[in-house]
Amino acid sequence: DAGVTQSPTHLIKTRGQQVTLRCSPKSGHDTVSWYQQALGQGPQFIFQYYEEEERQRGNFPDRFSGHQFPNYSSELNVNALLLGDSALYLCASSLEYSSQETQYFGPGTRLLVL
Amino acid sequence: DAKTTQPPSMDCAEGRAANLPCNHSTISGNEYVYWYRQIHSQGPQYIIHGLKNNETNEMASLIITEDRKSSTLILPHATLRDTAVYYCIVRGLGQAGTALIFGKGTTLSVSS
Repeated sequence: DAGVTQSPTHLIKTRGQQVTLRCSPKSGHDTVSWYQQALGQGPQFIFQYYEEEERQRGNFPDRFSGHQFPNYSSELNVNALLLGDSALYLCASSLEYSSQETQYFGPGTRLLVL
Repeated sequence: DAKTTQPPSMDCAEGRAANLPCNHSTISGNEYVYWYRQIHSQGPQYIIHGLKNNETNEMASLIITEDRKSSTLILPHATLRDTAVYYCIVRGLGQAGTALIFGKGTTLSVSS
């Protein structure tokens, strides 16, 4: 158990809808990264939040947005859902300024877009 | 793109050592080698990481060649629960803001 929690575990939406996924980092961690994993592929980096700001972003459209709260928890929002957004969404937490900043992953939220 | 190359699949008998290779010939001097694994439909699990010295923890050992261009993850006594996709990732030191770049990994199948 990495100590990272995500909610909900599963979600079904229809095309065009909006979705919000939530992540609570491991105790003591201050940095949250989000990844998308399509079936049969490795996880792909979406973005990372530190000090409530987006610090780095992968190759994802603006439909994907996020937020980090003062308690370091984070949300991932996806607008105008497409069928191709169906995937496992993973949250990983780490500690800035630790020795090697290892990222620890949560169990993921499986999103199905119909 | 991922900076590492791994075989797509490997088999191992239960109780035997599983040796998973990884090639990272373009690794820089300040880059670590990280290993994660992902059991079906779960989040990736951190296993171990190293810079240039061999490392061991309760899960595995990491052997890095002297020129740092390749490494091997060793699971000393594989069990059925070690069946998973194993990812080898290269990542810079002091770069907490950098993403983990996953390749396709190695699917390890442990059988009795």
